[in-house]
Amino acid sequence: QKEVEQNSGPLSVPEGAIASLNCTYSDRGSQSFFWYRQYSGKSPELIMSIYSNGDKEDGRFTAQLNKASQYVSLLIRDSQPSDSATYLCAVSGTYKYIFGTGTRLKVLA
Amino acid sequence: EAGVTQFPSHSVIEKGQTVTLRCDPISGHDNLYWYRRVMGKEIKFLLHFVKESKQDESGMPNNRFLAERTGGTYSTLKVQPAELEDSGVYFCASSHAGGLATEAFFGQGTRLTVV
Repeated sequence: QKEVEQNSGPLSVPEGAIASLNCTYSDRGSQSFFWYRQYSGKSPELIMSIYSNGDKEDGRFTAQLNKASQYVSLLIRDSQPSDSATYLCAVSGTYKYIFGTGTRLKVLA
Repeated sequence: EAGVTQFPSHSVIEKGQTVTLRCDPISGHDNLYWYRRVMGKEIKFLLHFVKESKQDESGMPNNRFLAERTGGTYSTLKVQPAELEDSGVYFCASSHAGGLATEAFFGQGTRLTVV
């Protein structure tokens, strides 16, 4: 079992829809959770961090964390073609990140 | 404010040669990390510096890899001699504080191809 699991996709959604990206992790001691967006050939860009159970909203993005279920998700509302990228889930207990393989999102115009 | 910068962006070398990758972290960031992504796999941790000290190098694949951070500013990662399986994208990241993970900012990566 991988430490951080993501569906590789591609996840295709129409423009304006809600995109839902999911991530599960195996280490119950994990304390910090991050979502990065990566365009092809570019650096991973941090879009959300979440540390406690519940929802955290920032603009069109909402991160959801459920430590009991070891599950973290990212919702993107009003998806735009510019949101098409690979979304990386990263989990950390201390200072180093454990990444999933990423989910490729395609927003169709 | 400049982000994390890495040089070169691409490197193609022959098996057995030496390559040195460089990372300039965000100014003021004491924590510097190296990660690597090989084809089709997830990004994996290599090592962590706090200023010039190595805090954790548990992810370094073997002793062909040597990382340094002289003076606590930029860092280099040398691969000597390079093998085919070293091909991948090497990312550098930096952050303000260690301990509980805080937000790390990544460079664009160096794509290394060993032929």
